[in-house]
Amino acid sequence: QQQVKQSPQSLIVQKGGISIINCAYENTAFDYFPWYQQFPGKGPALLIAIRPDVSEKKEGRFTISFNKSAKQFSLHIMDSQPGDSATYFCAASIRFGNEKLTFGTGTRLTIIP
Amino acid sequence: GAVVSQHPSRVICKSGTSVKIECRSLDFQATTMFWYRQFPKQSLMLMATSNEGSKATYEQGVEKDKFLINHASLTLSTLTVTSAHPEDSSFYICSARPTGEGYTFGSGTRLTVV
Repeated sequence: QQQVKQSPQSLIVQKGGISIINCAYENTAFDYFPWYQQFPGKGPALLIAIRPDVSEKKEGRFTISFNKSAKQFSLHIMDSQPGDSATYFCAASIRFGNEKLTFGTGTRLTIIP
Repeated sequence: GAVVSQHPSRVICKSGTSVKIECRSLDFQATTMFWYRQFPKQSLMLMATSNEGSKATYEQGVEKDKFLINHASLTLSTLTVTSAHPEDSSFYICSARPTGEGYTFGSGTRLTVV
């Protein structure tokens, strides 16, 4: 059962543009929602995470928007750069991240000049 | 930030042999570590949860006798792929969570069984 659905599967954005990746979850017990960035041949690296008591969190060019009623959250990358080209995974967990992560299917982001 | 070291990064082995992958938390203690498997262009699939000093918890469909996990200390967990076959070829990644921080992942191990 796919508990975290991620879209789009792939995304091409022009340099300087905004990249937006969306995720939707089913389990209302989830209370920790991180985003990971993965480069080919490497392990995922934590980008930013949010808890459901806030609707938005921003760190540098990366912003998470969270809609608890819709059970959706999204990652916005502002001023996208070629170095942002990677695969992005959303994830969810319960007990504020003290339990195992459930990952989305991933989005391959390509930033073109 | 916290670092999880995984070794080796790449390994090629012959079909029928066993391969051991190590996962170390370098600057924190980890009573729990997680092992994932990732096929090309796919997401991470949790294989098992490694618990220090006790038996690992395996996800449904993961063969316990094929994927042996040992968490002998607070900083080391190992995954041994026994009697490896070509279908076991994959990218294996471990993860741990320092107190108060998010999950940190190792750099992964590319296993190729020939």
